[in-house]
Amino acid sequence: QVQLQESGPGLVKPSETLSLTCTVSGGSISSYYWSWIRQPAGKGLEWIGRIYTSGSTNYNPSLKSRVTMSVDTSKNQFSLKLSSVTAADTAVYYCARETEYCSGGSCYLGFGYWGQGTLVTVSS
Amino acid sequence: QSVLTQPPSASGTPGQRVTISCSGSSSNIGSNTVNWYQQLPGTAPKLLIYSNNQRPSGVPDRFSGSKSGTSASLAISGLQSEDEADYYCAAWDDSLNGHVVFGGGTKLTVL
Repeated sequence: QVQLQESGPGLVKPSETLSLTCTVSGGSISSYYWSWIRQPAGKGLEWIGRIYTSGSTNYNPSLKSRVTMSVDTSKNQFSLKLSSVTAADTAVYYCARETEYCSGGSCYLGFGYWGQGTLVTVSS
Repeated sequence: QSVLTQPPSASGTPGQRVTISCSGSSSNIGSNTVNWYQQLPGTAPKLLIYSNNQRPSGVPDRFSGSKSGTSASLAISGLQSEDEADYYCAAWDDSLNGHVVFGGGTKLTVL
């Protein structure tokens, strides 16, 4: 069974860079899209971006200027860096894997595996 | 302000059928499939519906989805207390090099 686990500092100072890592176990990190999704307390989900194991990325246009994602296939990990953080970046951060679901001869992607989430607070 | 629009709340009594709407635009729902996620309190979201109306293995057939034009809907029939959760729609948006967009979420209360 594939499992994802987020790790990183739970407290980040304003203007600094938030860094998180997601470790994948129970399966290979190769040949999948890996995403970061966040959720401020009491609010909805916000997709931050995704990385394919080749290194290609797609980012949320509203965060693109501050986001960098990377993947380390040797460690079965992928990472998120979010620069110049403010209090508005305080949220639970989830890592997730897009899984292929097939029906009627066609296949579609959905976030089938999620980490448990990690709370990151931006405060001095 | 979420790109996809959902009602903030919905409610029903056990056994009832409830529907949750999700409205988008031509660049997201209008040209791509819709997924629905269920988030129980204190847990990570779970994929409930993919490709507008398909259920992953293990999801009860009480849950169904549909899409028409730039809108989609999630229906839950035979409502149960354990269905009380937040529900999110999501779709790929073709604008600005492509990205995933979520609805703001609908909190379903079972009365």
